[in-house]
Amino acid sequence: GQQLNQSPQSMFIQEGEDVSMNCTSSSIFNTWLWYKQDPGEGPVLLIALYKAGELTSNGRLTAQFGITRKDSFLNISASIPSDVGIYFCAGRMNNNAGNMLTFGGGTRLMVKP
Amino acid sequence: DTAVSQTPKYLVTQMGNDKSIKCEQNLGHDTMYWYKQDSKKFLKIMFSYNNKELIINETVPNRFSPKSPDKAHLNLHINSLELGDSAVYFCASTRQANTGELFFGEGSRLTVL
Repeated sequence: GQQLNQSPQSMFIQEGEDVSMNCTSSSIFNTWLWYKQDPGEGPVLLIALYKAGELTSNGRLTAQFGITRKDSFLNISASIPSDVGIYFCAGRMNNNAGNMLTFGGGTRLMVKP
Repeated sequence: DTAVSQTPKYLVTQMGNDKSIKCEQNLGHDTMYWYKQDSKKFLKIMFSYNNKELIINETVPNRFSPKSPDKAHLNLHINSLELGDSAVYFCASTRQANTGELFFGEGSRLTVL
């Protein structure tokens, strides 16, 4: 089956630092999405990307859809304590009937005030 | 008003028992899902329903039976619970099945003793 390799698995950074994480796949995806999961909650959509090369921002977050359609990255600028959580990438192909997403293994972000 | 609500939030039960988790969404979405998140936080789709019709049934044991009485509800019934069923189960819904933009519930943590 499809696999998404997400890295790093975890990061421990100082408040104010910038963060970068990425996701790679052996398969081509038509949509890349980034979700954040807070402890005890369900994942929440941060950014959705629909075109190869697309660069989209949401506040301090910026994500890009790789030109090969096999990768995506997420940057967080000037991190703050509430950025703590698990960030998941997800990819979707057009050729399945049920809109099935494949999720990466997650990047656990810890921010030291 | 919670958009996607699941009950119960926590469930502790013995091996061999049968249990159900309920999910309701008030977003007017046509497509609903069940995901399983294991102890390593890996998210895997189990089922997808579109307008009460089963669309995706990933390789899930037939002890798991989803039921959708109407398009706002998708319940999950599990028979003969096993230790390996312990996980957090997330319900999700989407407005457009071809976007990947999911709204997740808060999760139901199932512990099988």
